[in-house]
Amino acid sequence: GAVVSQHPSRVICKSGTSVKIECRSLDFQATTMFWYRQFPKKSLMLMATSNEGSKATYEQGVEKDKFLINHASLTLSTLTVTSAHPEDSSFYICSALPTGRNSPLHFGNGTRLTVT
Amino acid sequence: QQPVQSPQAVILREGEDAVINCSSSKALYSVHWYRQKHGEAPVFLMILLKGGEQKGHEKISASFNEKKQQSSLYLTASQLSYSGTYFCGTANAGGTSYGKLTFGQGTILTVHP
Repeated sequence: GAVVSQHPSRVICKSGTSVKIECRSLDFQATTMFWYRQFPKKSLMLMATSNEGSKATYEQGVEKDKFLINHASLTLSTLTVTSAHPEDSSFYICSALPTGRNSPLHFGNGTRLTVT
Repeated sequence: QQPVQSPQAVILREGEDAVINCSSSKALYSVHWYRQKHGEAPVFLMILLKGGEQKGHEKISASFNEKKQQSSLYLTASQLSYSGTYFCGTANAGGTSYGKLTFGQGTILTVHP
């Protein structure tokens, strides 16, 4: 089946530093990937849509300068949390959409970010 | 706008059945169902498309009422492995990005021996 690898699974960083999270589709190509944020016992909140070779589309209220997204190839999208603050601590999940109409989304295992 | 799921939580004994509902205020193109266990990635269960229905598993099925903009997930003869949080994700009719889903708040299902 389709596998999405997300790395790292956990990261702890200090306030003011930046953190990069990678999302890779291992056995399929994905022109579109999505990034979500999930608070404990809450739903998946879409942050942005990542399109290979073009700029990401951010949801309302998401700061594009703080959450930098790069989708450099058909199998890799990265999310960089810049100048992280404790309120950025959360569970971040990516998903990848295989080509082909009506394909399901495949999710990475998520990244637990803790900013101290 | 976020679809609304009901119930918020359900507790079952093994072998019992459950129904989880998902309602949207917008016209839908598709409804996706996922199950997430704590600290893990959501796992795909099935997609229901406008004009059709697709079953993903033997004891887990779903329906999609386009007119009412609702979908229901049916879990029969529940097993311990069914425990987790179930999310519906909806794609609006006329949307430009197929995979851009809006997820419900989730339904926590707990199955006891």
